[in-house]
Amino acid sequence: KAGVTQTPRYLIKTRGQQVTLSCSPISGHRSVSWYQQTPGQGLQFLFEYFSETQRNKGNFPGRFSGRQFSNSRSEMNVSTLELGDSALYLCASSLAAGGETQYFGPGTRLLVL
Amino acid sequence: DQQVKQNSPSLSVQEGRISILNCDYTNSMFDYFLWYKKYPAEGPTFLISISSIKDKNEDGRFTVFLNKSAKHLSLHIVPSQPGDSAVYFCAASGNNDMRFGAGTRLTVKP
Repeated sequence: KAGVTQTPRYLIKTRGQQVTLSCSPISGHRSVSWYQQTPGQGLQFLFEYFSETQRNKGNFPGRFSGRQFSNSRSEMNVSTLELGDSALYLCASSLAAGGETQYFGPGTRLLVL
Repeated sequence: DQQVKQNSPSLSVQEGRISILNCDYTNSMFDYFLWYKKYPAEGPTFLISISSIKDKNEDGRFTVFLNKSAKHLSLHIVPSQPGDSAVYFCAASGNNDMRFGAGTRLTVKP
């Protein structure tokens, strides 16, 4: 069974631009969560989607948004990029929602210049 | 606010010895705890978990201990192997919330 895939793997943007990241969960998994990882902050929860509905949202500004499609694939969008948005963005999938064991993708490394 | 804390950013142990990684949490609503292991350039992989109804869970060389009164959990790796060198994240979940610690980098020296 294929694992969680994320595209693109690496991305360079400039301040003020917007970016869309994509995540395909493990087949059969209906929950997708997004995390931001930075060296100083560790993994920080962005949001969780289950059955196309956002179930939970972390403490991030409204510039960070996401959605989930009927096939459980998910996208995350960041608008008006700031230098501090440079990070590794991880997607994780699980069968059900709410803190169950999650399987992480390799991440998308975003660099904002 | 950091509801899950890993106060040691790094740990170095000799091969064959025990590695003990610690994690503290503040939210008493957390009832399920997990450890993840992360190699460079890869996403974290699930290692072991424990529910709040237990105080110990063992899986091969890995054992997680939970002390609910102290809001503390630890991961023991015995014996440690060089391949265990990675960043270890603890996570706590409950009440539809999930938080991660910042990670501890474990280095196991041959």
